Formats: sequence, C-alpha cells, structure tokens
Amino acid sequence: AQSVTQLGSHVSVSEGALVLLRCNYSSSVPPYLFWYVQYPNQGLQLLLKYTSAATLVKGINGFEAEFKKSETSFHLTKPSAHMSDAAEYFCAVSEGTGGGADGLTFGKGTHLIIQP
Amino acid sequence: DAGVTQSPTHLIKTRGQQVTLRCSPISGHKSVSWYQQVLGQGPQFIFQYYEKEERGRGNFPDRFSARQFPNYSSELNVNALLLGDSALYLCASSKIGTGEEAFFGQGTRLTVV
Repeated sequence: AQSVTQLGSHVSVSEGALVLLRCNYSSSVPPYLFWYVQYPNQGLQLLLKYTSAATLVKGINGFEAEFKKSETSFHLTKPSAHMSDAAEYFCAVSEGTGGGADGLTFGKGTHLIIQP
Repeated sequence: DAGVTQSPTHLIKTRGQQVTLRCSPISGHKSVSWYQQVLGQGPQFIFQYYEKEERGRGNFPDRFSARQFPNYSSELNVNALLLGDSALYLCASSKIGTGEEAFFGQGTRLTVV
C-alpha cells in the first residue's frame, strides 16, 4: 500500500527566504509523485509531477522538487518566497497500477505561512 | 477551455438524507475521480471511473456510489448521510494513461446537520 508523510503541518518563512516543504512516501512499485497547492475555498492546482524521467522536476511559480529514491523523499523547494505563496500544499503518490489518473494518496498537507 | 466543473458549490443536508453531486470533466478527459476532503486533512480517494466502469475504489462504505455517463460526466451519490460526511467533495479529471495528472474542480462543500 502506498502512503505519504508530510513533515510539519505548518511552515513559516520570511518573504524572500527559501521554502522547503518535506514529503516522504512509501510505495511497493516505482511511484508517480505530485505536489498540489490549494488556496482557501478552492480546488487543487498541480505544481509539478515526477514520472520517472529527470529526478529534479521544475514546476510552476518557481517551485521545484527532487526525487530521491534512496531516501524515499520528494521535497518541494522555492529559492525565494513570495506573499502569494501562502497556501496549503499537498504531496501525493500514485502507483499507476491502472489506467487514467489512478487513485492518488495524499499527505495531510503543510500550511505555508509567509511572514512580511 | 473550461476546467472541471462541479455542482452544486454548496449544499446543506439533514442526517439520513441522500445527496447527488455532479461533475463535468475537461473536454477530452475520459477519466473521472472523486475525493473527500475533511477540514484540515488531505483529500481521500473515493472512486475512479473511466469508460463508464469503476476502475478503483478507496476505503469508503457502500453508502457511497458513483457512475459515469457516455459524455464522461459523473455523479457521486451518498445515502443515509452522517454528520461525518460533512466535507469538501472534489472531482478530478484526467486523460487515460499512467502517470497523467489529475485536474481538480472547485469542489462541492457538503454540510450535514
């Protein structure tokens, strides 16, 4: 069974500082990994995805994530935080055992707070 | 292009009632999945459908059911509502293919009183 652990339910950084959101996964097969962002009262927007190509994945809004198989991690980073980055961030895994999107397993989320 | 559309946006129901939520996928997307997001938690997978057949199911009771129509739209039904069913219900659509990303709608906020 697949699972996702996001370390830190809340992360606070200063505007302009590095953002690091941690995600560890468990999967019995090579996984597909995703980071989604959710703004208040909205659905989820895909930031980036890993699908066994390059281990360093670049996404939208300056975010990137690195897949490390040995550490079973897929941490999300951004060099310089903006106030508009304040939101809830979810890491998700899919084992791709079927067609289509397959059921995603999400972490509990990390609330990113940006201090002015 | 229109994104994933869900209706209604908000809904209040009484315990024991039944509810139907609707989802229209992005044009060209044939797979639809449903998720339940309880306040303060990550989304939980309920169902995945494509070609009108259930392709995956999460750990939810039989009170939850869904179907997909020939135009790939979908309905989620929940019977005998419980207070614990209060949540944001998210629909996601995707192309068919392993590793394809899911595009999410804005969700339906269901409150059971």
